Amino acid sequence: DTAVSQTPKYLVTQMGNDKSIKCEQNLGHDTMYWYKQDSKKFLKIMFSYNNKELIINETVPNRFSPKSPDKAHLNLHINSLELGDSAVYFCASSQEASGAHNEQFFGPGTRLTVL
Amino acid sequence: DAKTTQPTSMDCAEGRAANLPCNHSTISGNEYVYWYRQIHSQGPQYIIHGLKNNETNEMASLIITEDRKSSTLILPHATLRDTAVYYCIVTHQRGNKLVFGAGTILRVKS
Repeated sequence: DTAVSQTPKYLVTQMGNDKSIKCEQNLGHDTMYWYKQDSKKFLKIMFSYNNKELIINETVPNRFSPKSPDKAHLNLHINSLELGDSAVYFCASSQEASGAHNEQFFGPGTRLTVL
Repeated sequence: DAKTTQPTSMDCAEGRAANLPCNHSTISGNEYVYWYRQIHSQGPQYIIHGLKNNETNEMASLIITEDRKSSTLILPHATLRDTAVYYCIVTHQRGNKLVFGAGTILRVKS
C-alpha cells in the first residue's frame, strides 16, 4: 500500500491556468508538508499543516494555497501559473509526537511543466 | 538551523563501505543531525538521525564527532541501489522543518 500518494504524477499546462495537486497519506500522521524541487534540484519546504492548521508557511507567492480538508489530505492549489512554477512538487507527512523525532515520509512527486 | 557542507560527489565500489562526510561547525546544542537520501526520480527517504552519540539502524551508521562539528554517514556494504543524492540536515529535534542543501551524489559502481 502506498503510504503517501500524489496525483497527478505529471501535469503539463499553459501559463495563466489554475491547477491543483492532490496528496493523501494513509499513515495516520498529523502533519503534512509540501516541498518544491526546482530545475537545479534544490528541495525547499513550502508549507506544513498539523491537524488541518498551517504551521509553516515559507516565502511562497500568494498564488499558492494549500488546502487540508482533513488530516489525511493536503492539496496544493496554484493560481495564474507562471513559467517559474515548473518544478517537481513533493508531498510529505510525519507523526507529530511530543519529544520524538519526526521522520518525514515523502510521496513520489508531481512534475509540473508550465508552457 | 545550522548550515551543512558536503562534498559534491563521491564514488564507491559495490560491496565496499561508503563513508559520506558532513561538516556542521555552527550546530547548536539542541540541534540534531538528520540524513535523507533521494534516489533518482523518487521522493527523499529518511535514513538516520542523531544528537551526539553514534547511531546504527538497518540502513546505515551515523558517527558524530565529540565536538559535534562534523559527522559521517556509513553505508556498510554499498549496492548499486544505494546510488542517490545524500542530504545531511541539521535541525531541531522535531525535524519538522527540513532545509535541504545540495547534498552529495553517491555513485556506486560495479
